[in-house]
Amino acid sequence: QKEVEQDPGPLSVPEGAIVSLNCTYSNSAFQYFMWYRQYSRKGPELLMYTYSSGNKEDGRFTAQVDKSSKYISLFIRDSQPSDSATYLCAMSEGSGTYKYIFGTGTRLKVLA
Amino acid sequence: NAGVTQTPKFQVLKTGQSMTLQCAQDMNHEYMSWYRQDPGMGLRLIHYSVGAGITDQGEVPNGYNVSRSTTEDFPLRLLSAAPSQTSVYFCASSYVSGDQPQHFGDGTRLSIL
Repeated sequence: QKEVEQDPGPLSVPEGAIVSLNCTYSNSAFQYFMWYRQYSRKGPELLMYTYSSGNKEDGRFTAQVDKSSKYISLFIRDSQPSDSATYLCAMSEGSGTYKYIFGTGTRLKVLA
Repeated sequence: NAGVTQTPKFQVLKTGQSMTLQCAQDMNHEYMSWYRQDPGMGLRLIHYSVGAGITDQGEVPNGYNVSRSTTEDFPLRLLSAAPSQTSVYFCASSYVSGDQPQHFGDGTRLSIL
């Protein structure tokens, strides 16, 4: 079993829809959670970064962490064709460890 | 505002050849790392460094070598290229490992024939 599981998609939605992207994990020591967006032939770009449980909002993006369920989510409101990309979740245990674990990514297509 | 810069962007090698992938960052980050990204496998850590003169192995280190003589640069060397090393390679950096998010370069696409 992988430490981090992420549905590869593709996920196709109409423009303006609310998108929900999710990851589950098995390591209860993870404390820091990240979401990256990766456009084709580009490097991962940091979107959201959260510590421990709770919600964090930045514009149209909301990151949610539920440590009790070992489940994290990224919500995109009013999705746009420019949001079409692969979204990677990542997590780490914290200071003193090199260990960042990435999901395999979910491909999102927002249709105009 | 360069961030993490990787060169070259594309490279084709023959089996057995050696080459160095370059990575430079201008953010004064102590932590730097190399990943390879393969379809269905996600990002896998090859080597990492927590400062100049300090390097360590990641998940898939075989066939790769690194050194860190300065804070800014972290080159990755392929000693004798094999077709299994065909991949997209990403360099990343952050201030402190584990509790700060990493920032990535745009990658090097490497094909080994």
